Order: sequence, then C-alpha cells, then structure tokens
Amino acid sequence: SQQGEEDPQALSIQEGENATMNCSYKTSINNLQWYRQNSGRGLVHLILIRSNEREKHSGRLRVTLDTSKKSSSLLITASRAADTASYFCATDAGGDMRFGAGTRLTVKP
Amino acid sequence: EAQVTQNPRYLITVTGKKLTVTCSQNMNHEYMSWYRQDPGLGLRQIYYSMNVEVTDKGDVPEGYKVSRKEKRNFPLILESPSPNQTSLYFCASSSSGQMASGYGYTFGSGTRLTVV
Repeated sequence: SQQGEEDPQALSIQEGENATMNCSYKTSINNLQWYRQNSGRGLVHLILIRSNEREKHSGRLRVTLDTSKKSSSLLITASRAADTASYFCATDAGGDMRFGAGTRLTVKP
Repeated sequence: EAQVTQNPRYLITVTGKKLTVTCSQNMNHEYMSWYRQDPGLGLRQIYYSMNVEVTDKGDVPEGYKVSRKEKRNFPLILESPSPNQTSLYFCASSSSGQMASGYGYTFGSGTRLTVV
C-alpha cells in the first residue's frame, strides 16, 4: 500500500510563481524524500529530510516536515518552465521505501 | 559515472513467456529495489534487497521473482508474464551511508514492458 499521498494531484502555475506540494503519510518514518520525474523517465532525488529535522533548503527548494501531523511540504520558489514534472514524496521506515502517487506540476511560460 | 543500469528499456512479449529484466549498479550499494509505476497508482514496490542473498517482498510481489547473488546485480524475473504486468518498471539502489549523507536513492531509467 502507498505510504505517502501527495496533494494536489495536479498543479498548474505561471512561471515565476511559487509551487507548493504536500505529502501525508501514515506510519513513523526515518526520513522523507522528494523526487522529481520527467515524463516516463527515471526518478531523480531532490532532497531528504530526516525525522528529527523540521525544515531543509536546497537551492529553490524548501522542504518542511511535521512528524506530529505526519505531513511534509515541498516548496519550489520562482518556478521555471523546466520545473514541469511529476513530484513524488517517499517515506523510509527502515528496510523499504514507499512512494505516493505524485503531484503533476505544470509551469506555463 | 555512478549509475543504475536497467535493460532492456523497452520490451514487448507474449503471455507466458519467461523474461528477465536486468539491473546493475556500480556504486557498491547494499540496498536495491524494484518498483512498478502505473497511471494513478504511483510507484509500488515489488521486491527489495538489503544485501547479498537477502530479499524481501514489497507491496506487489505476486508474479515476480528476484535474486541477489552478487552486490551489483538485482534481476527481476517474470516466470509467466500476464497482461496485468504491463507497466513501467524501475530499479533503485542506495547505501546506508548515502542515506545518512542525505542523497537518497538512485534510480535506473526504467523498463517499459508490454505483455500481449
């Protein structure tokens, strides 16, 4: 069964705007990761946040984690057309990693 | 270049004809895993392996087999493929050290399998 569930399923914004995607999960985790997938291609790791961390930054990416609510958010600032892709959260509970169904982000030029 | 290599990239086969999708990594990773991706369902784990000779079932193992005889290879075997196994398959690997340093999993480019 899926562990992470992303919200929204699809998001369409204009270039330059910020994009926020949310992820909820069900069980305790060691860490949570966000991945990006361009159409039909392999997933690319974006950022990992450990269970004892609350916020992490990487370039235009900002990830937050609230273990009490079992939720995480990914913020992409100043979006670009090249950010158009599907974004997945994945939870690592030790031994296996579970993915959500993803958020499809479209950034219009 | 550090990578996970899957072969083939595309495969069309007939029901019941045994096939193997290969996966190889050159990063000396302990952990390897297979996922299938279907529209609206995201990625579902088929099998994973924590190290050589150690494999465990994921969420959707029925109809699949794996082996981990050496660290770098983790083939996915479909003994008798059926049309419901038509999907996009991904292999991934990682090491505990990689996870500790925050680099997550490395994915292969995917294998698109069609069973007719």
